[in-house]
Amino acid sequence: DAGVTQSPTHLIKTRGQQVTLRCSPKSGHDTVSWYQQALGQGPQFIFQYYEEEERQRGNFPDRFSGHQFPNYSSELNVNALLLGDSALYLCASSFFSANTGELFFGEGSRLTVL
Amino acid sequence: QQPVQSPQAVILREGEDAVINCSSSKALYSVHWYRQKHGEAPVFLMILLKGGEQKGHDKISASFNEKKQQSSLYLTASQLSYSGTYFCGTENAGGTSYGKLTFGQGTILTVHP
Repeated sequence: DAGVTQSPTHLIKTRGQQVTLRCSPKSGHDTVSWYQQALGQGPQFIFQYYEEEERQRGNFPDRFSGHQFPNYSSELNVNALLLGDSALYLCASSFFSANTGELFFGEGSRLTVL
Repeated sequence: QQPVQSPQAVILREGEDAVINCSSSKALYSVHWYRQKHGEAPVFLMILLKGGEQKGHDKISASFNEKKQQSSLYLTASQLSYSGTYFCGTENAGGTSYGKLTFGQGTILTVHP
């Protein structure tokens, strides 16, 4: 049973560029949430996708956008990259109908903005 | 506002016990606990729902005081494998923030032989 998979694992971009990160949820899960984790900090909620719609959003600017596909996989897009966007981006999957439940995290995509 | 964890770091010898606290200023629906080892994904430990219940998982247990909006994680007879950063994540009461966890800043636990 495959867990949450994310790609790429590492990437380097320059300021102003755009990046797309990808996530495949754990088998049987239908909800994907994205978190940003700066070095030495706890993860910060970016947004959550269920039924291909953004259901909840944290305090992140519109430069951060996402998408969920019919197979439940998801993408996170960040435009006009800033130095402060350098972080580990974590994808977490869950089963929406559980009402509350554990999140299964992927290993993350480490983004460095130069 | 993120929950506040204490202590920020703790160093133990194998077999010793530790308590990690998580405190929120908001009414909570649930508290989640995760452990993250360096370079790895956070791993789920347990969820506590409002009601003051206590849960256990092997030698790790936790409690949730709904009135005080506080949760504590208890690690007994610590093992080397317990080393890592522990995060509490909270879901606010109100029924609209399912799955939206607000994480604390983390507690670094180091267990020495």
